[in-house]
Amino acid sequence: GAVVSQHPSWVICKSGTSVKIECRSLDFQATTMFWYRQFPKQSLMLMATSNEGSKATYEQGVEKDKFLINHASLTLSTLTVTSAHPEDSSFYICSARDGQTTTNEKLFFGSGTQLSVL
Amino acid sequence: QKEVEQDPGPLSVPEGAIVSLNCTYSNSAFQYFMWYRQYSRKGPELLMYTYSSGNKEDGRFTAQVDKSSKYISLFIRDSQPSDSATYLCAMSRGGNEKLTFGTGTRLTIIP
Repeated sequence: GAVVSQHPSWVICKSGTSVKIECRSLDFQATTMFWYRQFPKQSLMLMATSNEGSKATYEQGVEKDKFLINHASLTLSTLTVTSAHPEDSSFYICSARDGQTTTNEKLFFGSGTQLSVL
Repeated sequence: QKEVEQDPGPLSVPEGAIVSLNCTYSNSAFQYFMWYRQYSRKGPELLMYTYSSGNKEDGRFTAQVDKSSKYISLFIRDSQPSDSATYLCAMSRGGNEKLTFGTGTRLTIIP
């Protein structure tokens, strides 16, 4: 099956610093990638949808200036949490849609990044 | 009311038992129904994918969709300790529509 690699798997940072999370599709081209946030015992909450070469589309309530998303190539999307604060501590997961499909029903997920902001 | 409701559990069953996991939903426009398995601190993995009403079987897993009742189920036969994980249901209207996830049911299979 298709593989999505997400790094780092965990990161601890000081309040006020920025953290970058990478999401790579290893054996397919991902025209569309999604970024989710998951709190303990809660579901995945979609933060934004990124399409290669264009600006990301953010869900209501997600600050685009705080969560910067770049999808510069067909195999790489990055999420940068700027000026992180303890309330940004969460599990962040990316997913990718194979470029050969036109629907979102079969997504491939990264292994997630646990962010802890001190 | 949430669009998708899923009993969070936890659910513990003995090895070899049949497991039944369920979700209900309110949006009649949902056409695609998925079940994902998520191990602790890992990303979800697609288990089953169903379009519209009906049953789909894959090995020990069977997915059922009843659109008239807005109810979907995942059955796991001959459950194994390796099946211990959180199971998330997800659904969408299709096309470029985003997936809407349930909260997940935490399942433990007791050896």
